[in-house]
Amino acid sequence: GAGVSQSPSNKVTEKGKDVELRCDPISGHTALYWYRQSLGQGLEFLIYFQGNSAPDKSGLPSDRFSAERTGGSVSTLTIQRTQQEDSAVYLCASSPTNPYEQYFGPGTRLTVT
Amino acid sequence: AQSVTQLGSHVSVSEGALVLLRCNYSSSVPPYLFWYVQYPNQGLQLLLKYTSAATLVKGINGFEAEFKKSETSFHLTKPSAHMSDAAEYFCAVTEGDTGRRALTFGSGTRLQVQP
Repeated sequence: GAGVSQSPSNKVTEKGKDVELRCDPISGHTALYWYRQSLGQGLEFLIYFQGNSAPDKSGLPSDRFSAERTGGSVSTLTIQRTQQEDSAVYLCASSPTNPYEQYFGPGTRLTVT
Repeated sequence: AQSVTQLGSHVSVSEGALVLLRCNYSSSVPPYLFWYVQYPNQGLQLLLKYTSAATLVKGINGFEAEFKKSETSFHLTKPSAHMSDAAEYFCAVTEGDTGRRALTFGSGTRLQVQP
């Protein structure tokens, strides 16, 4: 079946602009996660959704970062007023009711110039 | 709080040799442990997981790992390396089914396989 998909695959934006990153989880998966992968910081957790609610937002690095999930499916990660340090690969993962296996998408590579 | 330490950011082996990638964890609750592999410009693929059942777990592509509570380790092994195993490998931990669901990752080990 179809895996986790993310769009766009690459995004180049100017410092100060807002960006939206999209994640389509595997159909039927109730949990959705966002992570960030960068050279300096490695793989970092950002936010976790169970259904449409976000019980764990502890990884969001600043109030410029926000995310929502609608219909228990698609999620959007929004970064406002982007900074150069936001440049990274943003990975989305989803998991079924069994929470132990997270399946990752291919990521969105964000470059802030 | 949880943490994962992967010893060796780069490991090089010859084709056909044993692969051993080291992972040590720290967790205040019984952990669930995972190994993921990442090929260039791709997402993460789950290799195997430990979720408090058998301590020796087998995964895809001939990999296996053993959970050793006394050593707080979860090392990844493969008896015979293939060229296609060249990739980056990440060890990760969560707090099981009642705790924090987010994965905490190690810094990764890049495996190089020499012909």
